[in-house]
Amino acid sequence: AQSVAQPEDQVNVAEGNPLTVKCTYSVSGNPYLFWYVQYPNRGLQFLLKYITGDNLVKGSYGFEAEFNKSQTSFHLKKPSALVSDSALYFCAVRDTSGGYQKVTFGIGTKLQVIP
Amino acid sequence: DGGITQSPKYLFRKEGQNVTLSCEQNLNHDAMYWYRQDPGQGLRLIYYSQIVNDFQKGDIAEGYSVSREKKESFPLTVTSAQKNPTAFYLCASSIGTANTGELFFGEGSRLTVL
Repeated sequence: AQSVAQPEDQVNVAEGNPLTVKCTYSVSGNPYLFWYVQYPNRGLQFLLKYITGDNLVKGSYGFEAEFNKSQTSFHLKKPSALVSDSALYFCAVRDTSGGYQKVTFGIGTKLQVIP
Repeated sequence: DGGITQSPKYLFRKEGQNVTLSCEQNLNHDAMYWYRQDPGQGLRLIYYSQIVNDFQKGDIAEGYSVSREKKESFPLTVTSAQKNPTAFYLCASSIGTANTGELFFGEGSRLTVL
């Protein structure tokens, strides 16, 4: 069975500092990995994805993520945090084995950027 | 603009009543999904549909029903059999269920049982 772990319920970072939101995964086949962001009472918005190729993936709003196969991790990063980055962040994995490729989400990490 | 429209945004229900949440997409996507979001539990899959007139149960389908009569529409009915229906419900779509594409989400519907 596939799974996603986001070990931190909340991450606090000062505005202007770099941020990291952690994600580890478990799948039986090759993973497709995604990050989404959710603002209060809104739907999820896609940030970036890793399918294949370069381990460093760049996405929307200056976010990037690094795929590490040996550590089965896909941490989300940003060099300089903005107050407007404060939101709930979800990591998700799609297992590419099988006909229906289920997407599994982590429980989310709340990012609080402090002015 | 292409996207997914969910309605209503907020809904209140008395115990014992069925309610239907609407989800419409104009992205020409084949696959559609319904998720339930509860605090601290992430997103849990209720039902998904890979094509018109076909749908499959997800991880927490008990007490819910869906239909997929048109490509654009995937309504969710929360029945009186659902024991704890108060939650935030999210509809999503994707090009297919076996590809590299991401999910596109609607703005959600918050259901409260009184």
